[in-house]
Amino acid sequence: GDSVTQMEGPVTLSEEAFLTINCTYTATGYPSLFWYVQYPGEGLQLLLKATKADDKGSNKGFEATYRKETTSFHLEKGSVQVSDSAVYFCALSEQGAQKLVFGQGTRLTINP
Amino acid sequence: EAGVAQSPRYKIIEKRQSVAFWCNPISGHATLYWYQQILGQGPKLLIQFQNNGVVDDSQLPKDRFSAERLKGVDSTLKIQPAKLEDSAVYLCASSETSGGQETQYFGPGTRLLVL
Repeated sequence: GDSVTQMEGPVTLSEEAFLTINCTYTATGYPSLFWYVQYPGEGLQLLLKATKADDKGSNKGFEATYRKETTSFHLEKGSVQVSDSAVYFCALSEQGAQKLVFGQGTRLTINP
Repeated sequence: EAGVAQSPRYKIIEKRQSVAFWCNPISGHATLYWYQQILGQGPKLLIQFQNNGVVDDSQLPKDRFSAERLKGVDSTLKIQPAKLEDSAVYLCASSETSGGQETQYFGPGTRLLVL
């Protein structure tokens, strides 16, 4: 079945550091790929998405590129802020379906 | 625009008791989802509704879990009887239609602790 594997957490960085959270997936077809973020005490929010190979999703300074050849969708940000501290989830949904399959989440803490 | 509403936010029960969660999706959203998020894991889909019909309930433990969406708006998820392993956050989400890759909007979740 479909699955998503994320980089193990927790990840702790200093403010203005470069961030990468790795995500790889297994799927039978051509899924859409997502990054969701969960801030403390809040619900999951869509951060960015990409629906086909080589698409780049971006939002709030975060970027991720859909790499079909490596089945990856790594999340990056050039300069993190304390307010980026949250849990980040990589997810996919198969073509023609809406069910989201999530990775296990990566907790990110940014220190001032 | 109001988001997805869920209640209660927290619930503590003893094993073998029953519990129910309520979800009110974003107005006009035809598709509603219930996910279970166990601590340290990503959310897992329990059931998906399109209007008031079930689209996918393949991962719903039907011996103890039930869900309904009367009139295609609000939904309730029930657990009866609860087990220790049901301790989790139960997330409700909604999206506009069942086609394409519409964004799912999540509620704040109900955190359940079974003692």
